[in-house]
Amino acid sequence: KQEVTQIPAALSVPEGENLVLNCSFTDSAIYNLQWFRQDPGKGLTSLLLIQSSQREQTSGRLNASLDKSSGRSTLYIAASQPGDSATYLCAAYGSARQLTFGSGTQLTVLP
Amino acid sequence: EAGVAQSPRYKIIEKRQSVAFWCNPISGHATLYWYQQILGQGPKLLIQFQNNGVVDDSQLPKDRFSAERLKGVDSTLKIQPAKLEDSAVYLCASSIPGGYTFGSGTRLTVV
Repeated sequence: KQEVTQIPAALSVPEGENLVLNCSFTDSAIYNLQWFRQDPGKGLTSLLLIQSSQREQTSGRLNASLDKSSGRSTLYIAASQPGDSATYLCAAYGSARQLTFGSGTQLTVLP
Repeated sequence: EAGVAQSPRYKIIEKRQSVAFWCNPISGHATLYWYQQILGQGPKLLIQFQNNGVVDDSQLPKDRFSAERLKGVDSTLKIQPAKLEDSAVYLCASSIPGGYTFGSGTRLTVV
């Protein structure tokens, strides 16, 4: 059974700082790895999807990497802004054709 | 393209009452999921449908939860009777290979 872990659970940084969120998964037989953003009281917004054959994906100030062999993914946020404050969730999509989520990292970017 | 529609947005009920949630997926998406997200945790899969058939309901508390997908399109999730620990956001998602879309969720509070 796939288990996904995210570290840290919460993170507070000053505006402008670069930061890294970590995600690890126990079963490396995944098809893809997704990063989502969740604002308070809202649904999930997909940020980046990395296929199992890829090493990384980039969108604007966001860069996600995937190392299947070690069961790790990282989300890098450059030049953080207060509007980036949210909970970030990673999820692994595997042979069961379903997403397994981590518990998320709650990010606060201070002005 | 219209998103995944869910209703109601909020629901407050007393314990031992029953409640039902509705989901309308994106047209053409054969796979539909219901997730439960307890405050501070990542979403947990309750049930997965492929068209109108159940693929995985291993984490659905079947003594009180039930779900159906009518004609392979809309879906309803029911809880009867509700317990305090059912307080959570219930998220519906639909997918085609490689792409998940989540609804905004229904926030249930059981008092």
